[in-house]
Amino acid sequence: GAVVSQHPSRVICKSGTSVKIECRSLDFQATTMFWYRQFPKKSLMLMATSNEGSKATYEQGVEKDKFLINHASLTLSTLTVTSAHPEDSSFYICSASGLADSYNEQFFGPGTRLTVL
Amino acid sequence: GQNIDQPTEMTATEGAIVQINCTYQTSGFNGLFWYQQHAGEAPTFLSYNVLDGLEEKGRFSSFLSRSKGYSYLLLKELQMKDSASYLCAVKDSNYQLIWGAGTKLIIKP
Repeated sequence: GAVVSQHPSRVICKSGTSVKIECRSLDFQATTMFWYRQFPKKSLMLMATSNEGSKATYEQGVEKDKFLINHASLTLSTLTVTSAHPEDSSFYICSASGLADSYNEQFFGPGTRLTVL
Repeated sequence: GQNIDQPTEMTATEGAIVQINCTYQTSGFNGLFWYQQHAGEAPTFLSYNVLDGLEEKGRFSSFLSRSKGYSYLLLKELQMKDSASYLCAVKDSNYQLIWGAGTKLIIKP
C-alpha cells in the first residue's frame, strides 16, 4: 500500500518560534496533499489542500500567513507554523492522494504532535 | 450545513460483534469512507462505499444506503486490538471529505 511519512513525529518549541513539518509520499506521486489538525477527542479538521506546483487552498478560518504550506514536488509538502503560540499545540496530520480520480482514498502520515510552551 | 453523526462511544466484548452507525447530511455524495484511528496515531483506511449495499473485508464489513443517508461498520470476532476510534467520512459534491467526530470503541475481555 501507499506510504506517507511525516517528520518530525513530535516537536516541542518555545512560543514565537516557527516550526516546519514535512510530509512525504514514499512510494507514489501525490498530486494532492491535505493538512489536518486534530484536538484531543475531536475529529479531524481540514486546514488546507495543496496541489503540486500551485498555491494551497485554505479552509475558512485558517490563516494562510500563520500556516504556510508549500507543495514543491509530487512527493513533498511542508507545513510551517509561524510564530507559534500555545494555542497552536495540536496533532497535525497530512494525507496524500495520488490520482486525479475523485474516488481515490487519502493515505495518512503518522502525524506530528506539536507542543508550544 | 453539512453534518456527519456517529455515536461518541461504544463498548463491546472480545469475540462479539459490534455495529457502528453513521448518518450524514451533505451537499452531494461521492462516496463514504471508514477509517480506524488508534490513540495518538493517524487514521488508517478501512473501507469505501459508493453504491448501496454491503462491502465485506475480512472481519470488517461496511454498509451503505444512500437514500437514507446511512452507513454502518460491522466488526466481527472482536479483538482487543480493535479498541480504537472509528471515523466516518463522506465526500461531498466538491469531492471534499467531511469527517464525523469518530466513535470510540472500547473492547472488554
